[in-house]
Amino acid sequence: QLQLQESGPGLVKPSETLSLTCTVSGGSISNNLYYWGWIRQPPGKGLEYIGSIYYRGTTYYNPSLRSRVTMSVDTSKNEFSLKLSSVTAADTGVYYCARHGISAAEGYLHSWGQGTLVSVSA
Amino acid sequence: DVQLTQSPSSLSASLGDTVTITCRASQTIGTFLNWYQHKPGKAPRVLIYSASKLQSGVPSRFSGDGFGTEFTLTISNLQPEDFATYYCQETYSVPRCTFGQGTNLEIK
Repeated sequence: QLQLQESGPGLVKPSETLSLTCTVSGGSISNNLYYWGWIRQPPGKGLEYIGSIYYRGTTYYNPSLRSRVTMSVDTSKNEFSLKLSSVTAADTGVYYCARHGISAAEGYLHSWGQGTLVSVSA
Repeated sequence: DVQLTQSPSSLSASLGDTVTITCRASQTIGTFLNWYQHKPGKAPRVLIYSASKLQSGVPSRFSGDGFGTEFTLTISNLQPEDFATYYCQETYSVPRCTFGQGTNLEIK
């Protein structure tokens, strides 16, 4: 059974870089049928798509965050990562990693991590 | 980019009721529309994909319909575990996607 687990600091200072890793177990991150994505939810708000990465390293980022987001993948460790630079309080929220298919019909997020709360505060 | 507008933003209903949530897309997206249930402290869970296909393990009281720009999620015979926030999501231009703003379903 596929499992995803987010890890990283729960507290980040303003203007610094938020770094999270998603470790995948029960399946290979190199499966060519899937993308690996990040989604977040600020407190009291809805879900926001951050971006996705393919096992070969191809990325797509939400245009509203593109200038600050970097995603990477490490197939040897079966994990992928998110970096969000120059964070502000508006970046506080629960961050989820997830898997979705490569086609529009299979593009739904069918496997999720449990989520990790990241607070931006001095 | 596709924008999704959900209505209503909140909804109160009683056990056993049937409720319908609507999601409208800013441009036609075929059937590339999915629905999620989200409860506090848990990861979202996909209920319906491709507008009307029931995800494995999801009760049949959940159903989806629609094509193009207008979509609906219907929950029949509301159960206590159904009270949650529901989101639509479009995957017309995967890998990118957009979520609706959410509908909070509360017990009346």
